[in-house]
Amino acid sequence: GESVGLHLPTLSVQEGDNSIINCAYSNSASDYFIWYKQESGKGPQFIIDIRSNMDKRQGQRVTVLLNKTVKHLSLQIAATQPGDSAVYFCAENNGSGYALNFGKGTSLLVTP
Amino acid sequence: KAGVTQTPRYLIKTRGQQVTLSCSPISGHRSVSWYQQTPGQGLQFLFEYFSETQRNKGNFPGRFSGRQFSNSRSEMNVSTLELGDSALYLCASSLEDSDTQYFGPGTRLTVL
Repeated sequence: GESVGLHLPTLSVQEGDNSIINCAYSNSASDYFIWYKQESGKGPQFIIDIRSNMDKRQGQRVTVLLNKTVKHLSLQIAATQPGDSAVYFCAENNGSGYALNFGKGTSLLVTP
Repeated sequence: KAGVTQTPRYLIKTRGQQVTLSCSPISGHRSVSWYQQTPGQGLQFLFEYFSETQRNKGNFPGRFSGRQFSNSRSEMNVSTLELGDSALYLCASSLEDSDTQYFGPGTRLTVL
């Protein structure tokens, strides 16, 4: 079936570098996408979202890019910090209402 | 404003038992969704409630049920527990007309 997937299960970056986490989706009916950060022992924390009528959205140190042509979503984190170490999930509204369809997650490890 | 709260945080049950988990949404949020998170399957949508009505349901057996009260608080129930029901159960709330879901810390259920 259609699903949201992530290209890399783990990503290791040095403190201060920029991080890019990628996500592919296949449901062309999806019109809303969210990135979440989940730290150990906690629930997913909202980072940033984007609607399908946009191709870029910026937050504090984070940018989400949406390429509808190739059904690709990315999260860019500028000047990555140790506190950014977590698992990052992309999620899509699957077009059938209020359910979010999550990818498997990418573990980001920030090394000093 | 207080976040989503879930009780209990940890629970240990044995096969065949039933369990009830509770979720209090962010004040003013009327939509509550439930998700199951496991290492193998990731985050999977269970169901969503709004104004005490289930609006959407995921692909889980009938042993999984839920309800919402007039104050928007929600409970989910799992009957005849199986080992495979061991998971982190997450509750998320959102405003009536918003796709953005905010998650609680989850209830860690262990079935022995």
